[in-house]
Amino acid sequence: AQSVTQLDSQVPVFEEAPVELRCNYSLSVSVYLFWYVQYPNQGLQLLLKYLSGSTLVESINGFEAEFNKSQTSFHLRKPSVHISDTAEYFCAVSEGGSYIPTFGRGTSLIVHP
Amino acid sequence: EPEVTQTPSHQVTQMGQEVILRCVPISNHLYFYWYRQILGQKVEFLVSFYNNEISEKSEIFDDQFSVERPDGSNFTLKIRSTKLEDSAMYFCASSKDSVVPGELFFGEGSRLTVL
Repeated sequence: AQSVTQLDSQVPVFEEAPVELRCNYSLSVSVYLFWYVQYPNQGLQLLLKYLSGSTLVESINGFEAEFNKSQTSFHLRKPSVHISDTAEYFCAVSEGGSYIPTFGRGTSLIVHP
Repeated sequence: EPEVTQTPSHQVTQMGQEVILRCVPISNHLYFYWYRQILGQKVEFLVSFYNNEISEKSEIFDDQFSVERPDGSNFTLKIRSTKLEDSAMYFCASSKDSVVPGELFFGEGSRLTVL
């Protein structure tokens, strides 16, 4: 069965600093990779996804993630964070043949002024 | 913008009691899901539902759990006899189809506390 590891339960950063949230998954032949974000008192929302093609994917609010097959990673990055980026971020993986994503435990990004 | 809604937002119950968590998926979605997250742990898949029947379920989804779509809008999760370890945040989700893998739309969650 697929597993997803988010090594950091909490990542505190200052506003305008860069951030990387790490995600690793267990080896599989073909995978689809996702980052979801949960803002306070809201449901999880899809932030970005990798299905195929370019290994670098971007969201509309400046986040990007790179699929690294050799390292089985899909780390999320942003060069300059904002207070409003404070949220819980979940990495998720689904394997070809099953469209049901497996989630990690989440990483709490806390942006300080 | 259409959204998935869940009720109640928080429920406290005694061990052994039955609990029903309710969800209204997005109206034109066809696939429905329940996930749960025990505090500090991973978001775990429980069950998926399509065409009025369970399409997949995890090992967690044992005989004490059941799901139902009693009418055209609600999707419910019933826990027959709650245990302390059922305390968690329960998330409902829906998706339009299975063409785009993994793109689920989630509700805000229902926090269940079993005493």
